[in-house]
Parts: sequence; structure tokens; C-alpha cells
Amino acid sequence: DAGITQSPRHKVTETGTPVTLRCHQTENHRYMYWYRQDPGHGLRLIHYSYGVKDTDKGEVSDGYSVSRSKTEDFLLTLESATSSQTSVYFCAISEAPWTGRRRGNQPQHFGDGTRLSIL
Amino acid sequence: GQQLNQSPQSMFIQEGEDVSMNCTSSSIFNTWLWYKQDPGEGPVLLIALYKAGELTSNGRLTAQFGITRKDSFLNISASIPSDVGIYFCAGQFSLNAGGTSYGKLTFGQGTILTVHP
Repeated sequence: DAGITQSPRHKVTETGTPVTLRCHQTENHRYMYWYRQDPGHGLRLIHYSYGVKDTDKGEVSDGYSVSRSKTEDFLLTLESATSSQTSVYFCAISEAPWTGRRRGNQPQHFGDGTRLSIL
Repeated sequence: GQQLNQSPQSMFIQEGEDVSMNCTSSSIFNTWLWYKQDPGEGPVLLIALYKAGELTSNGRLTAQFGITRKDSFLNISASIPSDVGIYFCAGQFSLNAGGTSYGKLTFGQGTILTVHP
């Protein structure tokens, strides 16, 4: 395992309630990501972080916010959950990009996911 | 946005058979990744490819980065029951923004592999 813990692993909640998912890593990797996985859409990037307090939007960021106050934790918040946000959420991490002969981004490693159901 | 077409969508094979799956893209990537996902778990990295034309093996798995940088394939030789799962390709294109750099991953839809003993 890549030292990634997601919590909770399962959650059922009601429309309109706030929800926070946590991703904790023990690898000291600089980059962290949140994805959602839905049938027919594969994995889609919600938000990512390139350092403490440094975050940016992915392709499906509407309705989600993130925070990263320390290297090891990346939080995903649904301010007011909707049924369309029912999904499986995955956190991923990666090391800083290579800057030597091999330039580019290092592979991402995933946690085991959080299954979120919004009724 | 970028689209990845992964095929086949599903495969049913006998133990011992070889398997081949591929991904094609409308855009170029500078990294191709292959992941496997088991039920209830996250994707696990199988092979990473960083150079056009690169051929890389990991045990019974072999993957290639297409010369055009728009495609990749994964082969599994002599399949076994534990190969069952969903296989995803992912293309990565490095971006630089304001001094940062991150790899946006675009995923294929996945290939569901079933292996009959």
C-alpha cells in the first residue's frame, strides 16, 4: 500500500447536509488529489493540491471545496450535499515532478476510496 | 476535454489465455499509466510508460507507449484467476502554472476482465 488512508470508508447522509472526507498520507508526498468514480465516467478529478495551502480545481469541482493545512492531510468538503454527488471518492498522492533527465510528473497512487450515498 | 477510448469494455477468457487491451486518445500524452482495480479498493499502478515507443514489462504484464503518443496497449500473458478486475489506462500531460507543475490524469472507461478457471 502507498500509505494512504481515507475516512470514512462509507457514509450515508441526507441532501443539504455538509460532508467532509479526509485523506491522510504517511509518504510525505507533495501532491494530493481528489477524484470521483461513477459508472460510465471513469475517474474524474475534483481538486488537487500541490503543497500546503496550495490547491486548484479539477474538471468537476462545482459543489466541492478542499483544504490542506498540513502535508499529510487533504480534506474534501461538500458544503451542501446533493444526490448527484453520490459516488465513490478516491484520494491519490504523487511525489514532486522529476526535474532531471526524466522530466515530468510522477505516477499517482490511490487510496481505497470512500463510498458516499446522499439520500 | 481530452477523451480516452479504452477497448474492449469487457473480456471473458479462460485461464491460461493471453489478454490484450488498448487505449487511444484524440490528444497526445507524455505519460501513459495502467492501473488495476479490485472490488472495493482503489486503483493500483501496474505499469508506467514515459517515452514514445517504450515497451515495459512487469511479470506477465507488458505495456507499450505508442509512437504517436496517442495510444497505449497492455498485454497479460497466461492469465490466472487473480487477474480478474477492472483495468484502466490513464494518460498524463504535464502542465506548468504559476511555477507549479501537476499531472492531470485522464482515465479510460476501464476493461472488465473475467477469467474462468
